[in-house]
Amino acid sequence: GDSVTQTEGLVTLTEGLPVMLNCTYQTIYSNPFLFWYVQHLNESPRLLLKSFTDNKRTEHQGFHATLHKSSSSFHLQKSSAQLSDSALYYCALSESSGSWQLIFGSGTQLTVMP
Amino acid sequence: EAAVTQSPRNKVAVTGGKVTLSCNQTNNHNNMYWYRQDTGHGLRLIHYSYGAGSTEKGDIPDGYKASRPSQENFSLILELATPSQTSVYFCASGDKFSGNTLYFGEGSRLIVV
Repeated sequence: GDSVTQTEGLVTLTEGLPVMLNCTYQTIYSNPFLFWYVQHLNESPRLLLKSFTDNKRTEHQGFHATLHKSSSSFHLQKSSAQLSDSALYYCALSESSGSWQLIFGSGTQLTVMP
Repeated sequence: EAAVTQSPRNKVAVTGGKVTLSCNQTNNHNNMYWYRQDTGHGLRLIHYSYGAGSTEKGDIPDGYKASRPSQENFSLILELATPSQTSVYFCASGDKFSGNTLYFGEGSRLIVV
């Protein structure tokens, strides 16, 4: 079945450094939607950005990601981390040909230190 | 912004008691979901629904029932609550026309003693 892999469970970095959170996926369908959700402490997950288009960069709130179907990847990046970026980040997949189930990765906890 | 509201926000229940978590959405989304979130486990799908009258089992349905009496409302029912069901529960609604983008409620924190 479909799956999403986030290899880093915990990422700690210093304010001002670049952020890259990895996300790869597996699906038998050719037109998946890929999502990044962010969850701050004591809040609910909310959509950060999403993409359906191959090789097109998607940006929101300083973060960006590009869906690469050739490598089944959708990595989240930001050029300069801020303290307020500390949160739990989920990568997720849904596909348009079947049940539209959203498959979540295990999440990456990002902590930004001063 | 899509609106999903959950009640109660906090609940303490006794072992063996019945708990009902309620969710209401005003987005007219067909799809609704119940997840639980525990440290080290991320979001785990319990039950979901494609519309009024339908419920489907997710990845961890044991010990839970679901009810979708209308487009707007989706409830999660714990008939015999156990301490292992202590968790934070999130309801979400989704719109397939946006790739099933999910909008989450604020969460319900359940403690079973």
